[in-house]
Amino acid sequence: QLQLQESGPGLVKPSETLSLTCSVSGGSISSTFYFWGWIRQSPGKGLEWIGSVSYSGDTFYNPSLKSRVAISEDTSKIHLTLSLNSVTAADTAVYFCARRPSGDLPFDIWGQGTLVTVSS
Amino acid sequence: EVVLTQSPGTLSLSPGERATLSCRASQSFSSYFLAWYQQKPGQAPRLLIYGASGRATGIPDRFSGSGSGTDFTLTISRLEPEDFAVYYCQHYGSSPLTFGGGTKVELK
Repeated sequence: QLQLQESGPGLVKPSETLSLTCSVSGGSISSTFYFWGWIRQSPGKGLEWIGSVSYSGDTFYNPSLKSRVAISEDTSKIHLTLSLNSVTAADTAVYFCARRPSGDLPFDIWGQGTLVTVSS
Repeated sequence: EVVLTQSPGTLSLSPGERATLSCRASQSFSSYFLAWYQQKPGQAPRLLIYGASGRATGIPDRFSGSGSGTDFTLTISRLEPEDFAVYYCQHYGSSPLTFGGGTKVELK
């Protein structure tokens, strides 16, 4: 059964880069049947889609974050990465990775999420 | 961008009662691209409904979705104790994917 697990620093300083990894077990990111995405949740803004990457490596980003974000897969095809630069306190949130089946379906499997706090 | 507005913000009900949750969109879109999620404290969202009315795998039939255009509804026919949670609608038909602000179903 596919499982997703986010990991990374829980505390990031303002203006620095937030980097998170999503580890996939029980499957592979390279499957042509799925997209993979990052979503965050903060008390002030609720759930916010950050971006997604397709099985072919095409990326799609929320325009509100596009200038600061990058999503990629590593060559092992079992890790998804998120990079968000120039962070501020507004980027404090729980960050989730999730799977989205191709064929115009929503996110069906989510990781448990990891809290990232931006503070000096 | 499709803005989703959920109402009410909080619904206070008792087990066995019917819950009706609303999601209204700022512009019309195909119901094919409307989902509902349930989230409990400290957990990730759980997919309940896709395509406005399709139940995800393992979701009990007391959960049903309906609607089209700009108005969508999630109905829980008879609330079970485990159904008290926050519910979110989501549009996933075009970028950016967007979520509603959520409706909390709380124990009366």
